[in-house]
Parts: sequence; structure tokens; C-alpha cells
Amino acid sequence: DAGVIQSPRHEVTEMGQEVTLRCKPISGHNSLFWYRQTMMRGLELLIYFNNNVPIDDSGMPEDRFSAKMPNASFSTLKIQPSEPRDSAVYFCASSLSSGGAYNEQFFGPGTRLTVL
Amino acid sequence: DAKTTQPNSMESNEEEPVHLPCNHSTISGTDYIHWYRQLPSQGPEYVIHGLTSNVNNRMASLAIAEDRKSSTLILHRATLRDAAVYYCILSRKTSYDKVIFGPGTSLSVIP
Repeated sequence: DAGVIQSPRHEVTEMGQEVTLRCKPISGHNSLFWYRQTMMRGLELLIYFNNNVPIDDSGMPEDRFSAKMPNASFSTLKIQPSEPRDSAVYFCASSLSSGGAYNEQFFGPGTRLTVL
Repeated sequence: DAKTTQPNSMESNEEEPVHLPCNHSTISGTDYIHWYRQLPSQGPEYVIHGLTSNVNNRMASLAIAEDRKSSTLILHRATLRDAAVYYCILSRKTSYDKVIFGPGTSLSVIP
């Protein structure tokens, strides 16, 4: 299995531009998580989905952030418009949730976003 | 979610055992104890988890106190590759595998 795939791996953009980060979870997994990591705030959970449905988006910082999961094999995190304080590493993770028992999350390699 | 407390950093000599402590005095009966680690420039990776009993796997052992208010991650023989940030996390049993990361413990391994 290829693991969780994220693209792009690096993104440099200018303030005000739209940014779209992409994630392909491990085949068969039914939960998907988006995280953001900065030196100041550590690893923050932004939003997570189960069976393509958003379960909790309370970690999304502002309305400029939105996430979708149109099908079981693809999710996007969009920032519009982007700001320099959005610069961070964004991780996607997936797991096979079975309701009751815990199942580990598998993380992708991350997308390093720089907003100038 | 209940909170965990870990030392900011620890050091270990290579090939010696490492005991990473975690306090979670407000743990509830349905909280799992998880450990993840993050190697430099990589995403976090799962290490181990448990509920009440001690657990062993190929990576590590998890020792859980009888009152469940603390736990210890044990690396039996530290290698340079084990230098990472180790996160101790609690999550509810029916939370779709959701975990909330704290600052963790930065482990340095000295050759």
C-alpha cells in the first residue's frame, strides 16, 4: 500500500491567493483527519470526516478555511484568501474506524505551505 | 478530552532502555491511552495504545498504573532512530479514532 498521499509536498504562494491541499487516504479507511503544525501552536486538529461526512470542524481557524471529502478516496483543504500566518505544515491522516475499538491513524508526509 | 502532562525533553544513551512518563490524573473510564511519535521532518506515527492492561508490541511497551492516572512508554533499547517527539494522548472510546496532540516529550539519543 502506498500509504496516505498528499500533494503538493511544498507550496509557496502570495498573500491573497487561493491554496488547495489534497489528500488521498489509505484504501478502505473510513476516517480522515486534517492537521496543521507550527512551532508556536504544535499539531492542531482542524477537521475530521467519517464515511465522507464532516464530524467535527471546530478546529478550523476561520471561514477562510474549508474542507471537502467528495468520495472515500479524496479530500481537499482550501484556504481562500491565504495569509502569511497560514504558513505551516499541513498533515492528512486516515484510519479504519470500527466504532468502539481504537484504530491507529496513518499520517501522510505533509504539505509545507509558505505564504509570502 | 482529558489532559496529559509530559516532560518537555529527555535524554538517553544509545542501546539503553528509555522510560517516558505521562501523567493523566483526570482520565475517565472510557479513555484510551495512546502514544505517537514524530521523527524529524516526518508526520507522526503510531507507537502503541492501551486501556487498562500493560501492552507490548514490536516497537515498545506501555505500562499503565493500576489507578490509570499515569503511564510509561518503554523503549527497551534506544537507537539513534528513536530520537523524536513522543506524544502521550487520551481519547474517548467512541471518538472515530480522534486524538488531540499536546507538546510531547522531545527525546534525544546520545551515541
